[in-house]
Formats: sequence, C-alpha cells, structure tokens
Amino acid sequence: DAGVTQSPTHLIKTRGQQVTLRCSPKSGHDTVSWYQQALGQGPQFIFQYYEEEERQRGNFPDRFSGHQFPNYSSELNVNALLLGDSALYLCASSRSNYGYTFGSGTRLTVV
Amino acid sequence: GENVEQHPSTLSVQEGDGAVIKCTYSDSASNYFPWYKQELGKGPQLIIDIRSNVGEKKDQRIAVTLNKTAKHFSLHITETQPEDSAVYFCAASGNNDMRFGAGTRLTVKP
Repeated sequence: DAGVTQSPTHLIKTRGQQVTLRCSPKSGHDTVSWYQQALGQGPQFIFQYYEEEERQRGNFPDRFSGHQFPNYSSELNVNALLLGDSALYLCASSRSNYGYTFGSGTRLTVV
Repeated sequence: GENVEQHPSTLSVQEGDGAVIKCTYSDSASNYFPWYKQELGKGPQLIIDIRSNVGEKKDQRIAVTLNKTAKHFSLHITETQPEDSAVYFCAASGNNDMRFGAGTRLTVKP
C-alpha cells in the first residue's frame, strides 16, 4: 500500500517563474493538505482540498493556488516565485481530519 | 486561526532518561492533537495522537496527555534511545486544518 507520493523531490527555479508540485494521496484518503516548511521551522498550513474544492486556507498570498482531481490527487501551484518561497513543500493526506500521512516533500530552491 | 506553541525548542537527554515536550493551543474548538517525528530529509511521521474526549494515551514508550481546560498537551518518552533523536512536532486540528508547533530537536546521548 503506497503512502503519499510527491513529485518532484527537488526543484530549482528562477525568481519570477512559476512552479507546479504534485501529490498522490495514500490509498483510501480523500483529503489533501499542503504545507510549507522553512528550514528549522514547523510546517505552515497553506490550504486543504476536499471533494475538489479548497476547504480551508492558511495565511498565504493568492500566488499560491491548488487543485484536486477526481482521483483525489492534488497540485500546488506557485506563481511569481520569490526567494522567500524556497522551502520544503509537504503534502499530507487523510480521511476526514484525522491521521494525516505526510509525503517526503518537494525541496524547492528559488535562485 | 489556531496558534500552537511548543517548548522546549531543543532538548538533550542521556540514553535511558525520560523526555517531555509541552505544547499549548489557542482554539478551544480544536479536538485532535497528533505528534509527529521528523528525521533529516523526510516528511513528518505520526507517532501518536489523542482526541479531545481522552485525557491520556500510551503506546509502549510514548505517552501523550491532554488538558482541555488549560489548553495544553504533552509528549512523554520513557527510556529514551539514540534512535529517538529527531525533531518532534505537536499539532492541533479542529476546523479542516492542522496547525503545527515550531518543533523540538531531541538529542539522546549514548
């Protein structure tokens, strides 16, 4: 039973570019949440998707957007990248709001 | 929104000693409190969780306690081992999101 799969594992982008990160949830999970984790800090909640809709959003600008597909997989899009967007981006899946399972993350570096 | 504070930020113990990490939360609607362990280069891994209708839960060497009145919860690790060395995060959830503490770096010295 595969857990949460994220791709790519590492990514280098130039300031001002756009990036798309992908997440496949654990089998049986229908909810996907995205987090940004800066070095040495706790994960910061970006948003949560359920039934293909954004259900809750953290304190992130509109440059951060997402999508959930009918198979529950999800994408995180970040436009107009800033140096400060460099971080580990984590996807977590769950069934309802319990037992979040995290992927290994995508390490984004903006240069 | 929910605000979770975690203490201490670093904790160093001798192998075999116990370790305690404490967290407080602000939103009285939060009803689910998981703890995660994160090793270098990996995503957080759930180690134990507790729901608001329970005051204490234990799983082998790990236990969590919850005081809903005071809005705080704690992680207790007994008989620590070098492989327990990692960063530990507490979290609180109640409104379609889950908010994390800043983390505690636990070092277990052999």
